Amino acid sequence: ILNVEQSPQSLHVQEGDSTNFTCSFPSSNFYALHWYRWETAKSPEALFVMTLNGDEKKKGRISATLNTKEGYSYLYIKGSQPEDSATYLCAFRYSGGGADGLTFGKGTHLIIQP
Amino acid sequence: NAGVMQNPRHLVRRRGQEARLRCSPMKGHSHVYWYRQLPEEGLKFMVYLQKENIIDESGMPKERFSAEFPKEGPSILRIQQVVRGDSAAYFCASSQTANTGELFFGEGSRLTVL
Repeated sequence: ILNVEQSPQSLHVQEGDSTNFTCSFPSSNFYALHWYRWETAKSPEALFVMTLNGDEKKKGRISATLNTKEGYSYLYIKGSQPEDSATYLCAFRYSGGGADGLTFGKGTHLIIQP
Repeated sequence: NAGVMQNPRHLVRRRGQEARLRCSPMKGHSHVYWYRQLPEEGLKFMVYLQKENIIDESGMPKERFSAEFPKEGPSILRIQQVVRGDSAAYFCASSQTANTGELFFGEGSRLTVL
């Protein structure tokens, strides 16, 4: 059973502050790490797909880093805005043996307080 | 370009009835994935299909659940003789490529079993 852990489970951040949260995944048989943003009553939306150790990706005020050797990824949000409030999911895909699906963490629920 | 379309959005069934959930992938996408979200749980992979083929069904319960993605028409997740424990949100996602491709999710079908 693959274990993908996200922390913290929930986070309250003041508008304008920067924040970050963590995704931990198995460090062996790594294939890809995905980040998704999931707003209430909508569908999850892809932010990043990361495949190489040391990868850093950026989309506007949101960025992510990847360390496959130690099995973690960080998601950073700079200058949080109310529209950043959502659940952020990471998902791990491993190489070899069958499963083409992603294993998702339970998410970090981010609330931006004006 | 329409996104991933799922229907019905909400479905109520009595124990023992059948539930059919439909998913039309994004145009040009031939890879379809089904995920289930149980209350207080994250997204759990169920099955991965390409046109007319089940590629990986390692996440599907062994009995009562089946999925198909015919040459023409939507992918269908079928649950026979539903039980209360089947109550969940079922999400479909599609991708253009396998393995590293980002997933595009539908808004989910929420099944309630009375």
